[in-house]
Amino acid sequence: DIQMTQSPSSLSASVGDRVTITCQASQDISNYLNWYQQKPGKAPKLLIYDASNLETGVPSRFSGSGSGTDFTFTISSLQPEDIATYYCQQYDNLIFTFGPGTKVDIK
Amino acid sequence: QVQLVESGGGVVQPGRSLRLSCAASGFTFSSYGMHWVRQAPGKGLEWVAVIWYDGSNKYYADSVKGRFTISRDNSKNTLYLQMNSLRAEDTAVYYCASPKFEYSSSSPLGHWGQGTLVTVSS
Repeated sequence: DIQMTQSPSSLSASVGDRVTITCQASQDISNYLNWYQQKPGKAPKLLIYDASNLETGVPSRFSGSGSGTDFTFTISSLQPEDIATYYCQQYDNLIFTFGPGTKVDIK
Repeated sequence: QVQLVESGGGVVQPGRSLRLSCAASGFTFSSYGMHWVRQAPGKGLEWVAVIWYDGSNKYYADSVKGRFTISRDNSKNTLYLQMNSLRAEDTAVYYCASPKFEYSSSSPLGHWGQGTLVTVSS
């Protein structure tokens, strides 16, 4: 089975900072990589799909890139409402796997 | 708009069974595969199972294979998760989720329910 790693596991940044999260797959997953945001007590929300496509209605400060095994998620200018845990998720061979998550808060 | 409403959670003893339901509305349920995803308290997301749009194929995480069964009733727009031989480590919030794209086994999960809490404890 494919394993997903994310780094860092948590980060603290100031409002307006650029925030970058990386996700690595243990095998080539092409661009089958999605990013979700989960705020405390809420269901996850799809932000980025197929590595780099912005979900409808999601602010343009969120972006994603990568292919193969290495992927990056970026918040270009961190806002207070972005406080959440972010998960990458891959699809391979009919199975979905989530990364362990990155908790983002405000410094 | 898409709505997914889970029900059936509660407290259950180890070794017992529980069935979760997910009532769907606002989209053509019979055109979409459906998923269950769970989250143990304070932990990350764990994908549990998927069922294809017509119920013809079902796939499970290794952690639940042989104990959980995913099913659907397209006439009732409802998804189910039958959970047998429950263990303490099955304690979690269980979410149903629908894909962004119809008829696609690889589609990202575009809509989620609010979740239902299952607690396995004696």
